[in-house]
Amino acid sequence: KNEVEQSPQNLTAQEGEFITINCSYSVGISALHWLQQHPGGGIVSLFMLSSGKKKHGRLIATINIQEKHSSLHITASHPRDSAVYICAVTAGAQKLVFGQGTRLTINP
Amino acid sequence: GAVVSQHPSRVICKSGTSVKIECRSLDFQATTMFWYRQFPKKSLMLMATSNEGSKATYEQGVEKDKFLINHASLTLSTLTVTSAHPEDSSFYICSARQGAVYGYTFGSGTRLTVV
Repeated sequence: KNEVEQSPQNLTAQEGEFITINCSYSVGISALHWLQQHPGGGIVSLFMLSSGKKKHGRLIATINIQEKHSSLHITASHPRDSAVYICAVTAGAQKLVFGQGTRLTINP
Repeated sequence: GAVVSQHPSRVICKSGTSVKIECRSLDFQATTMFWYRQFPKKSLMLMATSNEGSKATYEQGVEKDKFLINHASLTLSTLTVTSAHPEDSSFYICSARQGAVYGYTFGSGTRLTVV
């Protein structure tokens, strides 16, 4: 079993829909990260969380430390949100442990 | 915000040759940089942790003599794929962090094709 599990692995939705991607982890962490990888390969760090909730534009990330679970929400989804979303945790030293990614496709 | 510049973005080389990939932190000092490899539709795999002024720490299974990492300054780390083989063809990407309270900044990645 992977230390970081994401669901779903693939998600297709219509423009405007509310999107939720889930991440569960099994190790102690100092922080959880949500990353976005576009088709060209570039990776952008969206959020770093150690507790509670963060919001940036249409993106919201939450974390429940007790349940070892985090969610990434996208409101009013748009085709430009189509990307792979990766959950990763910092579990010691500075190394990141990655989930397998969620491939999101938003259709117009 | 923090920027990590990675070059080249794409490279095609012949089997047996060496290829160098550079990552530079443009507006911050990165005492530690991380090198990853990614196979198609797979997650990132950490290859090594590059520390300024000291030897890199390689993950289990990564050949240190094949993937040479140098971190000669606080803003530059390089990955050299030596004696490249077609199976080394992959997407390589680096990342760095300004400090423990900051997130990770990633380079734009290098797509290596060995023919």
